[in-house]
Amino acid sequence: EAQVTQNPRYLITVTGKKLTVTCSQNMNHEYMSWYRQDPGLGLRQIYYSMNVEVTDKGDVPEGYKVSRKEKRNFPLILESPSPNQTSLYFCASSFGQGAETQYFGPGTRLLVL
Amino acid sequence: EDQVTQSPEALRLQEGESSSLNCSYTVSGLRGLFWYRQDPGKGPEFLFTLYSAGEEKEKERLKATLTKKESFLHITAPKPEDSATYLCAVQASSSASKIIFGSGTRLSIRP
Repeated sequence: EAQVTQNPRYLITVTGKKLTVTCSQNMNHEYMSWYRQDPGLGLRQIYYSMNVEVTDKGDVPEGYKVSRKEKRNFPLILESPSPNQTSLYFCASSFGQGAETQYFGPGTRLLVL
Repeated sequence: EDQVTQSPEALRLQEGESSSLNCSYTVSGLRGLFWYRQDPGKGPEFLFTLYSAGEEKEKERLKATLTKKESFLHITAPKPEDSATYLCAVQASSSASKIIFGSGTRLSIRP
């Protein structure tokens, strides 16, 4: 089954404790992206990647890191999480450069205390 | 600055009552405009991509249209299962592969 998976689905952590949210897709997509969704603000793009070893900043990259060492994986790293990073995070992937259909993961709900 | 604005924020309709959702955009060259549906607690689900003014696409009770400044999602004779948040997004040709989403329209259909 074609899908985007994220882990963990729910995470409670404390300020400053490094964490990684994994994202994996099994559709051989070139384009992968991370978004955060907050009430009233909609989906905002954090980082995107057009292929292996090619990443770029979206609209809200501060406080986040990403890497794309393999085509199928695109982890999101929070080196020192802060309470303002409490949010719902989505990973997405698509063929080409993102203009085509994006498939979204199920989301990761993060609470930073 | 590239921007996407959706209206209304929320819309409540009776089953069978047709209506339209609006997505206004400002971009320096449109590469594509996308409509998604999002159910509570789930990731967005792709509906349509529109590339140029005048283009229309249909799927069941939904029809998306595009002009140079806005897009409409028309819902004909909606059913309760059409209740969801509908998201609009654009990709500008000038900003590589960055994608900008609107804040969505929360649609509720009463039986």
